[in-house]
Amino acid sequence: DAGITQSPRHKVTETGTPVTLRCHQTENHRYMYWYRQDPGHGLRLIHYSYGVKDTDKGEVSDGYSVSRSKTEDFLLTLESATSSQTSVYFCAIQEGANTGELFFGEGSRLTVL
Amino acid sequence: AQKITQTQPGMFVQEKEAVTLDCTYDTSDQSYGLFWYKQPSSGEMIFLIYQGSYDEQNATEGRYSLNFQKARKSANLVISASQLGDSAMYFCAMREGYSSASKIIFGSGTRLSIRP
Repeated sequence: DAGITQSPRHKVTETGTPVTLRCHQTENHRYMYWYRQDPGHGLRLIHYSYGVKDTDKGEVSDGYSVSRSKTEDFLLTLESATSSQTSVYFCAIQEGANTGELFFGEGSRLTVL
Repeated sequence: AQKITQTQPGMFVQEKEAVTLDCTYDTSDQSYGLFWYKQPSSGEMIFLIYQGSYDEQNATEGRYSLNFQKARKSANLVISASQLGDSAMYFCAMREGYSSASKIIFGSGTRLSIRP
């Protein structure tokens, strides 16, 4: 399994503050994803990346930006956090050579007060 | 636009019985992949099974099988001989196209509870 770590794992912040979540992988996987998980909505794709500096929007990208300046790191930024962005955020890498299944990080729980 | 629908928010099943979790999808692409994931109460996401749109046989992985009905656009997960450890959230997901650069979207999930 690929090494994938998310930081921070837990964060409480106030409305209007910027927040950056980091996803770090150790095995040079090209494709990386950010999802948010909310009750009743499952996992919704925020942004994904198919290489350094190559990113694209997902289903719920408004209010979020991403950056990937090197293969191992995929950063998710909330420029001005809102209470509606309180969620659990999962990073994933595409690992399966034939099937392309995702391997997930442990998640980052963000609370915006 | 691609879409995944899971219509069963929650299910209760007796231990050792088989259970079917429903998943329907919508896509205009001829090439796509379908996945099932399990999320136990601990929160991690566990990959269970994969079906490619051109695969002629239903995928199987141990007690898991995927009942793939292409014309009906359904990809139901079947768990045989359920166990207490199967209690979890289950998510269906889809990738359009064979390109690994395609985005992967998920359904809203089904919470499965196994009764002893």
